[in-house]
Amino acid sequence: KQEVTQIPAALSVPEGENLVLNCSFTDSAIYNLQWFRQDPGKGLTSLLLIQSSQREQTSGRLNASLDKSSGRSTLYIAASQPGDSATYLCAVWEYNNNDMRFGAGTRLTVKP
Amino acid sequence: EAGVVQSPRYKIIEKKQPVAFWCNPISGHNTLYWYLQNLGQGPELLIRYENEEAVDDSQLPKDRFSAERLKGVDSTLKIQPAELGDSAVYLCASSLGRGTGFDEQFFGPGTRLTVL
Repeated sequence: KQEVTQIPAALSVPEGENLVLNCSFTDSAIYNLQWFRQDPGKGLTSLLLIQSSQREQTSGRLNASLDKSSGRSTLYIAASQPGDSATYLCAVWEYNNNDMRFGAGTRLTVKP
Repeated sequence: EAGVVQSPRYKIIEKKQPVAFWCNPISGHNTLYWYLQNLGQGPELLIRYENEEAVDDSQLPKDRFSAERLKGVDSTLKIQPAELGDSAVYLCASSLGRGTGFDEQFFGPGTRLTVL
């Protein structure tokens, strides 16, 4: 069964720092990997989607990489801002069950 | 364009009572998903519809949970009777295609259920 793990569970940084969030998955038979943002009491907002044939995707200050063979993805946030404070979830869409599996998320706090 | 709409946003009920959640997907999206999200965890799929057909309901606790998607548009998720352990956020999502890994899912704000 696919297991998706996100480390760290929580992270607090001062404003302006560059930071990296990590995601690992146990089964490399995936269609894609997606990073989401979730604000308290809200639904999920898609940030970046990386297809299995791709290595990375960029959007503004965000860059996500995918190493399918090693079962890892990173989300890089440049010049963090207090508005980036949220929980960040990664999810993989796996071949075998045609299902999306989520990690438990990393709760990010950016202090002014 | 409106996103995925869910109602109610919050619901508090006593155990053994029934409860229902409603979802309106993005217009034109064929596939609709219901997820359960426990506190501090990622969402877990309960059921996926392609148009009006439930194509994956293996994680839906069928003894107390039921769902329908009439006419392949709106969907309702029901719990009867609710138990204390059902307290969670219920998320609805939709995607344009047939729910394959090439689709991007768009999520609604969720319904937060509290069972007392």
